[in-house]
Amino acid sequence: AQSVTQLDSQVPVFEEAPVELRCNYSSSVSVYLFWYVQYPNQGLQLLLKYLSGSTLVESINGFEAEFNKSQTSFHLRKPSVHISDTAEYFCAVRGTDKLIFGTGTRLQVFP
Amino acid sequence: DGGITQSPKYLFRKEGQNVTLSCEQNLNHDAMYWYRQDPGQGLRLIYYSQIVNDFQKGDIAEGYSVSREKKESFPLTVTSAQKNPTAFYLCASSPQGWDTSSGANVLTFGAGSRLTVL
Repeated sequence: AQSVTQLDSQVPVFEEAPVELRCNYSSSVSVYLFWYVQYPNQGLQLLLKYLSGSTLVESINGFEAEFNKSQTSFHLRKPSVHISDTAEYFCAVRGTDKLIFGTGTRLQVFP
Repeated sequence: DGGITQSPKYLFRKEGQNVTLSCEQNLNHDAMYWYRQDPGQGLRLIYYSQIVNDFQKGDIAEGYSVSREKKESFPLTVTSAQKNPTAFYLCASSPQGWDTSSGANVLTFGAGSRLTVL
């Protein structure tokens, strides 16, 4: 069965500092991984995805994630965060009949 | 612009009343989904539909019902049988059904409906 574990429920960080949001997955089928972002009182937006090919994927706003098969991880990183990055971040893995989400990590960026 | 519209954004109901949440999409997507979001629990799948006039139960379907009479619409009814209905409800769609041979389907989400039962 597929599953996703996000180890940190909250990550506080100061503006311009680097950040890593951790995600580990379990999957017995072809691995497709996603990061979604949710701003307060809004729906989820796709941030980036790994389907195949290069293990390092990037988003348009400076986030990147690396697929690591040996460690079954797909951690999200950004070298320098902004106040506007404050949001909840969900890691997800494609299951056999649905998208399976982690419990989310709330990133709080302080000035 | 194409997207998913959920209404109402906020809804208050008394205990024991049924309530229907609307979800409309103009993306021409085949598949639609309803998720429930509770703090610290992530998103849990309630129902999904891959084609018109067909839908399947997700992980927490008890106390909910859906219909898919049109491709564009996938309303969710929260019935009085749902023991703890207060939550944030998210509707989503994807271009095609969940075909394991065709690669991943990216979900597009609506802005959500927050239901509070008093």
